Amino acid sequence: DGGITQSPKYLFRKEGQNVTLSCEQNLNHDAMYWYRQDPGQGLRLIYYSQIVNDFQKGDIAEGYSVSREKKESFPLTVTSAQKNPTAFYLCASSSPGLAGEQYFGPGTRLTVT
Amino acid sequence: EDQVTQSPEALRLQEGESSSLNCSYTVSGLRGLFWYRQDPGKGPEFLFTLYSAGEEKEKERLKATLTKKESFLHITAPKPEDSATYLCAVQATETPLVFGKGTRLSVIA
Repeated sequence: DGGITQSPKYLFRKEGQNVTLSCEQNLNHDAMYWYRQDPGQGLRLIYYSQIVNDFQKGDIAEGYSVSREKKESFPLTVTSAQKNPTAFYLCASSSPGLAGEQYFGPGTRLTVT
Repeated sequence: EDQVTQSPEALRLQEGESSSLNCSYTVSGLRGLFWYRQDPGKGPEFLFTLYSAGEEKEKERLKATLTKKESFLHITAPKPEDSATYLCAVQATETPLVFGKGTRLSVIA
């Protein structure tokens, strides 16, 4: 079955540590996205990539970094520079020309103490 | 700046009690308006795309409509399994999606 996987589902880190969230898709989609969701809030875009080896900042990119070395993978690193990293992180992908019809992974809930 | 406002924030319905959710938007050059459903602790699931005013889409008990300033998601005779958060998003030409904060729907048996 095609889909998007995110791992792990729950992640705990100490303040000051960098952490990398995994996102893999086997839908053969060119575009991939990372969103952050806080309680009672909508989705806010962190980074997106429309093609391998290229990515753009979203609305809240500060304190985050990404790479897109393979079409199927788009890992997100939450650095120690991110002031409020505790959140629910969602990865998504879409086909060319259908950027609004996104397929989402199950999410990773990150808790930093 | 593109903006999406959803109302109400939360809605509680009895099973079978029809209602509508609202999504108001301001965007320069609407490319599409999208509805998603999100269950607690899970990723959103795509429901509908609307491209132009007057367009309607239906799926089971849900019907989405679009005007030049807002979209409605009508829920007819809802069941408890329709309980979820419904998210609206807009896309302007060549820009990423902008999401609203969602409406949390609870359907009580």
